[in-house]
Amino acid sequence: DAEITQSPRHKITETGRQVTLACHQTWNHNNMFWYRQDLGHGLRLIHYSYGVQDTNKGEVSDGYSVSRSNTEDLPLTLESAASSQTSVYFCASSPGLGLNQETQYFGPGTRLLVL
Amino acid sequence: GDSVTQMEGPVTLSEEAFLTINCTYTATGYPSLFWYVQYPGEGLQLLLKATKADDKGSNKGFEATYRKETTSFHLEKGSVQVSDSAVYFCALSDQQGGSEKLVFGKGTKLTVNP
Repeated sequence: DAEITQSPRHKITETGRQVTLACHQTWNHNNMFWYRQDLGHGLRLIHYSYGVQDTNKGEVSDGYSVSRSNTEDLPLTLESAASSQTSVYFCASSPGLGLNQETQYFGPGTRLLVL
Repeated sequence: GDSVTQMEGPVTLSEEAFLTINCTYTATGYPSLFWYVQYPGEGLQLLLKATKADDKGSNKGFEATYRKETTSFHLEKGSVQVSDSAVYFCALSDQQGGSEKLVFGKGTKLTVNP
């Protein structure tokens, strides 16, 4: 079955370290998204991509970067982790075509703790 | 820009009670509307959607009707179960500039007691 996976599921790191969170989808979806979820803020969009080599900033992109070298993967990199980046991170994808083009499908999340 | 406002939680109900979670939106154009559900420790799952005015989305006993005149998409269920305990998010598709992003409300936590 097609799916979307995230790894690691849990990560502890130290302030200043570079961290990369992986997201992989097997639906062949054009669009991929990264969100962070924090109490009181709901879901906030970090970065998104509409296809290979395309990346765009979301509302909370400072300190994060992404790259899209193939259809299946959109890794999220924290250049220099800060305690304010402790959060739960969700990856999502959507077809970008057809009847359900806007419907997003979410991964299980990565819980990141920055000490 | 486009926005979604959900009723503040948390909401606590007894099993078999009637559920309403209010959602209103502000949007230019004609967005699609969604309800997502997040069970503890999991990612969001699509619960139901509606793509045009007066459409009713339904799934697992939940319903929501796209009301353009009141810019609302309230979630309802006639008889909730303990297994419905989760966080519910209302969302709309961002229609500006050909974007395919979703704009989410802040979520409403529902707890159903036996």
